[in-house]
Amino acid sequence: SQQGEEDPQALSIQEGENATMNCSYKTSINNLQWYRQNSGRGLVHLILIRSNEREKHSGRLRVTLDTSKKSSSLLITASRAADTASYFCATDFGDYKLSFGAGTTVTVRA
Amino acid sequence: EAQVTQNPRYLITVTGKKLTVTCSQNMNHEYMSWYRQDPGLGLRQIYYSMNVEVTDKGDVPEGYKVSRKEKRNFPLILESPSPNQTSLYFCASSARRDDSPLHFGNGTRLTVT
Repeated sequence: SQQGEEDPQALSIQEGENATMNCSYKTSINNLQWYRQNSGRGLVHLILIRSNEREKHSGRLRVTLDTSKKSSSLLITASRAADTASYFCATDFGDYKLSFGAGTTVTVRA
Repeated sequence: EAQVTQNPRYLITVTGKKLTVTCSQNMNHEYMSWYRQDPGLGLRQIYYSMNVEVTDKGDVPEGYKVSRKEKRNFPLILESPSPNQTSLYFCASSARRDDSPLHFGNGTRLTVT
């Protein structure tokens, strides 16, 4: 069953702006992961945040996790054209299945 | 180079004609998994394998088979493909189950007519 749900479905921003997308889930998780997909290619892992962590950074990426609200957000700062992609959250709730949401499509305009 | 290799990249076939999509990883990963991706539905897990000779159903296993005879290979078999199996398929692997990221192949776009 699909656990994570991303919001918004699509996002269009100007180069240099920040992009924020959210992920909500329904049951307790071990960790939550964010992946990027370019044009129907394979997904690439961006960042993993464990259930006992609240915030994590990786370069221009910032991920937060609020387990009380069962939600996570991914912030991309100072966006570039190369950030144009679909972004997926994946929830690991410990039964050997990693469940992906439907994704947020981000378009960065030059 | 560490990678997950899927073949073929594109496949067009007819209903009922058995096919196999191969997947191989060179990272000595124990865990491997197959997903299908359909518009608006995200990725849905078909089958996964925790190790050699150990496989289990994901969320949408109907119409698919897998085998894990060697650690590096995890083929996906469609015994009698149907048009509703037209999709983009991804193989993925990881070092271990807990908190290890998945490494994905580049996908196989299957069309069943």
